[in-house]
Amino acid sequence: GQQLNQSPQSMFIQEGEDVSMNCTSSSIFNTWLWYKQDPGEGPVLLIALYKAGELTSNGRLTAQFGTTRKDSFLNISASIPSDVGIYFCAAYPRGNDMRFGAGTRLTVKP
Amino acid sequence: DAGVIQSPRHEVTEMGQEVTLRCKPISGHDYLFWYRQTMMRGLELLIYFNNNVPIDDSGMPEDRFSAKMPNASFSTLKIQPSEPRDSAVYFCASRLLNTEAFFGQGTRLTVV
Repeated sequence: GQQLNQSPQSMFIQEGEDVSMNCTSSSIFNTWLWYKQDPGEGPVLLIALYKAGELTSNGRLTAQFGTTRKDSFLNISASIPSDVGIYFCAAYPRGNDMRFGAGTRLTVKP
Repeated sequence: DAGVIQSPRHEVTEMGQEVTLRCKPISGHDYLFWYRQTMMRGLELLIYFNNNVPIDDSGMPEDRFSAKMPNASFSTLKIQPSEPRDSAVYFCASRLLNTEAFFGQGTRLTVV
């Protein structure tokens, strides 16, 4: 169905390491989004992707909209302690609602 | 714009009481979403509105939950009667068609 399968569920990395996470689905989407949630706050948009194959960067973050329109990945390069948080993928199907992956909890050790 | 504004930020209530959560979307946005977040179930879409009209409420857990959007700048999510299992963080989000959604800071609800 329209469920988004996000992996990994959690990551424990050393400061300076690169991070990669992804979302897959059996459904086709028109838009992929990546959000970050800090404790006690709402999700904040990091990157929005609107075209299949699109590769977009935002500072140390890079995300891609898969060519099949069924997946997306997010990379974080040279992680720093403030990257800690929960990262969510989200996507719009043909309708207008928005579904979320289960999230990737990132811990960065100094 | 101040972003999506939710109130209250925290709510503690006794089981059986009525709870009303409030949301002011970003001005001009024509879609409004209500989500519930728990550790067990993650972010769940409860209901969303387009131009103040409820489009899909299939995520509303049961009849105790209701949502309204009387105008373009205000929405409420009501739980009556509340139960301990309703304890969660409730988020409101708004957006324009086919653009990214912006979230409020959420309301942390605790039902004791």
